[in-house]
Amino acid sequence: QVQLQQSGPGLVKPSQTLSLTCAISGDSVSSNSVAWSWIRQSPSRGLEWLGRTYYRSKWYNDYAISVKSRITINPDTSKNQFSLQLNSVTPEDTAVYYCVRYSGWFNFDYWGQGTLVTVSS
Amino acid sequence: QSALTQPRSVSGSPGQSVTISCTGTSSDVGGHNYVSWYQQHPGKAPKLMIYDVTKRPSGVPDRFSGSKSGNTASLTISGLQAEDEADYYCCSYAGTYTYVVFGGGTKLTVL
Repeated sequence: QVQLQQSGPGLVKPSQTLSLTCAISGDSVSSNSVAWSWIRQSPSRGLEWLGRTYYRSKWYNDYAISVKSRITINPDTSKNQFSLQLNSVTPEDTAVYYCVRYSGWFNFDYWGQGTLVTVSS
Repeated sequence: QSALTQPRSVSGSPGQSVTISCTGTSSDVGGHNYVSWYQQHPGKAPKLMIYDVTKRPSGVPDRFSGSKSGNTASLTISGLQAEDEADYYCCSYAGTYTYVVFGGGTKLTVL
């Protein structure tokens, strides 16, 4: 059974960097058949896909247009996990952040427990 | 404002059927057979209920079914049960520039 365990701070100051990690069990971050994403959810923006990392003989990353200039998603094969970094955060980035596995065409089948990240001074 | 349009709320009595609509455009729902539906209970992560418009993951009751016509996808829940009360979100692949879009969510109340 695939399990995703998130970790990271719940409070980030404006203009700083939001960093979260997602540890994977029951699957491999290097799997050739799935991809690993971050999705956030807020009352104002609803569910919003942020980006993905996946391995198909080499590593690929894709990001949502709305955050493309500020986001990095990195795999860590030594720890079987992946991470999210979102730079220059503002209060609009306050949301519950989920790490998610997807298979096929964006079928988000396994979710982390969610982390409420508040951007406030 | 979400890219896909869903009704804010629907309701039904136990045993009845309800249908939740999800309207997009020819760039997302209408252009690809890659619509998925998620159930979310309060304080929990979303759960995949339907994928590729009509397919059910293992373990999802066959009371849940999906369909699509043109730019509108639908989730139908038959034989409503109390535990079906939740928020439901649709999601669609939207091409290699936007990638994926979500609906704003529908709150299902079981009366």
